Amino acid sequence: GQSLEQPSEVTAVEGAIVQINCTYQTSGFYGLSWYQQHDGGAPTFLSYNALDGLEETGRFSSFLSRSDSYGYLLLQELQMKDSASYFCAVKIHNTDKLIFGTGTRLQVFP
Amino acid sequence: EAGVVQSPRYKIIEKKQPVAFWCNPISGHNTLYWYRQNLGQGPELLIRYENEEAVDDSQLPKDRFSAERLKGVDSTLKIQPAELGDSAVYLCASRSNYEQYFGPGTRLTVT
Repeated sequence: GQSLEQPSEVTAVEGAIVQINCTYQTSGFYGLSWYQQHDGGAPTFLSYNALDGLEETGRFSSFLSRSDSYGYLLLQELQMKDSASYFCAVKIHNTDKLIFGTGTRLQVFP
Repeated sequence: EAGVVQSPRYKIIEKKQPVAFWCNPISGHNTLYWYRQNLGQGPELLIRYENEEAVDDSQLPKDRFSAERLKGVDSTLKIQPAELGDSAVYLCASRSNYEQYFGPGTRLTVT
């Protein structure tokens, strides 16, 4: 079967750095994506890793280790607006299919 | 560029009634997805289209759910009859490269 594990909730204060981990057990792994979803909103794309290593996009970075079936999303200089749910999602090889994790709810406090 | 459009945004129906959701993907996006998202969970794929062809409907409960994308552009997802457990947000998405663009979803409440 396919499974992804993320912490259910993370809290942090403004200006801090937070890391959201994702471990996966999937067949046909091709790449790992991260999506952000505010309450009542649509998921929006943050990043995609197909190769091992770190991808940086502004305050957000994403890391992948294929050998460890592990990735993380790193959020720096946290802002109140970063309070949202964050989902990792596995792209399955040779398909356009994404399998989403259960999400991590991030709460940023002043 | 307009995003993925979905309607209605909210729908409340009684169980055993039919309901339909509509989606218009981003222009030029050939791949369209329907997801269901339960509270506190990630989106779960129901069906994926490549143009007008349903290429993955393995998770669509076919006894009560149906979908169509007749001209390879907009799509309709139908539930008939609805059950209490169908209460969820139904998301439509379209794809460009490795990024999926989601619509705002339809929040369905079955009473």
